[in-house]
Amino acid sequence: QKEVEQNSGPLSVPEGAIASLNCTYSDRGSQSFFWYRQYSGKSPELIMFIYSNGDKEDGRFTAQLNKASQYVSLLIRDSQPSDSATYLCAVKVGAADSGYALNFGKGTSLLVTP
Amino acid sequence: GAVVSQHPSWVICKSGTSVKIECRSLDFQATTMFWYRQFPKQSLMLMATSNEGSKATYEQGVEKDKFLINHASLTLSTLTVTSAHPEDSSFYICSAKHSQKNYEAFFGQGTRLTVV
Repeated sequence: QKEVEQNSGPLSVPEGAIASLNCTYSDRGSQSFFWYRQYSGKSPELIMFIYSNGDKEDGRFTAQLNKASQYVSLLIRDSQPSDSATYLCAVKVGAADSGYALNFGKGTSLLVTP
Repeated sequence: GAVVSQHPSWVICKSGTSVKIECRSLDFQATTMFWYRQFPKQSLMLMATSNEGSKATYEQGVEKDKFLINHASLTLSTLTVTSAHPEDSSFYICSAKHSQKNYEAFFGQGTRLTVV
């Protein structure tokens, strides 16, 4: 079983702070990594995807990937109460032409306090 | 663009009955759709991969005769939970692969199934 591991939290940060969310994966051959945000009772919303080692920034979000350590993280700068949600790390499974089935972690619950 | 609509959003059914959930890609064609299930405080678990015009591919441990998948057109996949039992109560979510947006799968809004 190829695993995607996340700390379930909750992670509590004050408004305006940086929230750091971490994820490790077991399949060394994984190539594509995704961060989703999921509000209670709703389906996941894509925040970012990352393929290459290093950092990828999009607005207040930065994804970091280290394939050697099999580690991917998400930083949220200037955290807002509306960022409070569960953040899911996902790893694409299957071959390049097999579609985009994803192996999800259990998610980290983030609480941003005013 | 790239909207996936799932219907119904929630359903309550009696034990032993069957429930059909629809997943439609509204503004694009989806040759491949995926069905996930999520129990409370758990991760999304892939149940099956649905391919237009062919049989679905089920993940290990998912009963294909219980969870019937039909992908009869490029914009519609259906999941039928047959002879539902309370342990089938869950959040079912579909996603669709966009042929021209290869970097992500687009999710439906999910269906909350409660079997009583």
